[in-house]
Amino acid sequence: GQNIDQPTEMTATEGAIVQINCTYQTSGFNGLFWYQQHAGEAPTFLSYNVLDGLEEKGRFSSFLSRSKGYSYLLLKELQMKDSASYLCAVRRGSSNTGKLIFGQGTTLQVKP
Amino acid sequence: DSGVTQTPKHLITATGQRVTLRCSPRSGDLSVYWYQQSLDQGLQFLIQYYNGEERAKGNILERFSAQQFPDLHSELNLSSLELGDSALYFCASSRQGWEETQYFGPGTRLLVL
Repeated sequence: GQNIDQPTEMTATEGAIVQINCTYQTSGFNGLFWYQQHAGEAPTFLSYNVLDGLEEKGRFSSFLSRSKGYSYLLLKELQMKDSASYLCAVRRGSSNTGKLIFGQGTTLQVKP
Repeated sequence: DSGVTQTPKHLITATGQRVTLRCSPRSGDLSVYWYQQSLDQGLQFLIQYYNGEERAKGNILERFSAQQFPDLHSELNLSSLELGDSALYFCASSRQGWEETQYFGPGTRLLVL
């Protein structure tokens, strides 16, 4: 089976740093993705980890520990436009399938 | 703009009816994925096609079916619609089945009355 857990809601202040955690239990792990989704809009790709360690991309970084089934998304220098839902997704299966299993998402509210 | 297009944007229909949702992947992408997003279930994988063939299946109901055509566009057919089928339906595409990133279309919002 599979299980992906994220906090439901988080609040942070503009200009601050926030870390959104994701834990997963799944067979056939083949990569972990973070997507951002504004209400009613399409998910947009933020980051991808398949090996342990930190991936940095501008204000966003993502970390993966496969042995612990754990990832986090780090957002620096928060801006009001970062208020959105952040979805952790695990890719399962063999290399020629791309099935993503999504967590319920973390709704981040950035306050002035 | 991800390059993935979906039509229609909104669809309102009645229980028992049948609808078809359409998706055009990004240019050059061979894989198409369908997802359903409802308030209580989150984003759920339905089915994947790669170059015209079904590649992976998720929690797709028997009332739902999909196909990918030679020009690589895909259609999701939903039949005998129920109130609980009301949701956002997203299509995503990627270059190959193992490509690291799936790019999502804007979605079709389906309301079943």
